[in-house]
Amino acid sequence: GNSVTQMEGPVTLSEEAFLTINCTYTATGYPSLFWYVQYPGEGLQLLLKATKADDKGSNKGFEATYRKETTSFHLEKGSVQVSDSAVYFCALITNTGNQFYFGTGTSLTVIP
Amino acid sequence: NAGVTQTPKFQVLKTGQSMTLQCAQDMNHEYMSWYRQDPGMGLRLIHYSVGAGITDQGEVPNGYNVSRSTTEDFPLRLLSAAPSQTSVYFCASSTSTGGYEQFFGPGTRLTVL
Repeated sequence: GNSVTQMEGPVTLSEEAFLTINCTYTATGYPSLFWYVQYPGEGLQLLLKATKADDKGSNKGFEATYRKETTSFHLEKGSVQVSDSAVYFCALITNTGNQFYFGTGTSLTVIP
Repeated sequence: NAGVTQTPKFQVLKTGQSMTLQCAQDMNHEYMSWYRQDPGMGLRLIHYSVGAGITDQGEVPNGYNVSRSTTEDFPLRLLSAAPSQTSVYFCASSTSTGGYEQFFGPGTRLTVL
C-alpha cells in the first residue's frame, strides 16, 4: 500500500539553526511528493513539491530532493527563523490514483 | 478568487444531532476531498470526489455522507454525531492539470458533546 512516514516531533530549534525533517514513503507507481505547512489556526499550504526522481523542490529557503533509491523526501533549511514555527506534513500522490497520503506531521518551534 | 471556503468555522453539537459542513471552491477544480485532523494522526481522508456526481470513500468514511451535485460544492454530512467525530475538518480541492496540488480551506473545528 501507500504510506508516508515522518520523523516524530516536536522539534525545537534556536533561530538560525539548521533544520532537517525526515520523510520516507512507500508507494506503487511513480508518486509525486509534497511538503505542506500548517501555521497555528490555519489550513495547510503547499510549501514545495517534486514530481519525479532527483527533482529538488524549493521555496522560502526550504528544500527537499526526491530520492527514489532511498524512497525519501527530507525537508531542509539552512537557517530557521521564528516565523518558521509551524507543523510540517509530508505527502504523496501516486500516478495511479487521486488520493493524497499524508504523514502524521512534525511540529517545529523556533526560539529566538 | 476566494479559493476554498468552509463554513462554519466552529460548531458544537450534541450526540445524535446531524449537521452539514459546507465546502465550496471557485477554481473549477475537478477533485475535492474531505479530511479530518486529529492530534498525532495527521490528516485522514473521509470522502473524495473526482467530479460532479462522482464520490468515493476514503480511509475513515463511517458516519459521514457526501454528495457532489456541482463542481463548486462538496458538503459533508454528519448523520448522527458522536463524540469520536470531534475533530478539525478540512476540505481541499485539486486539479490534474496542476499536478494534483491540494488547496485547503481554513477548516471547521467541531466538538461533539
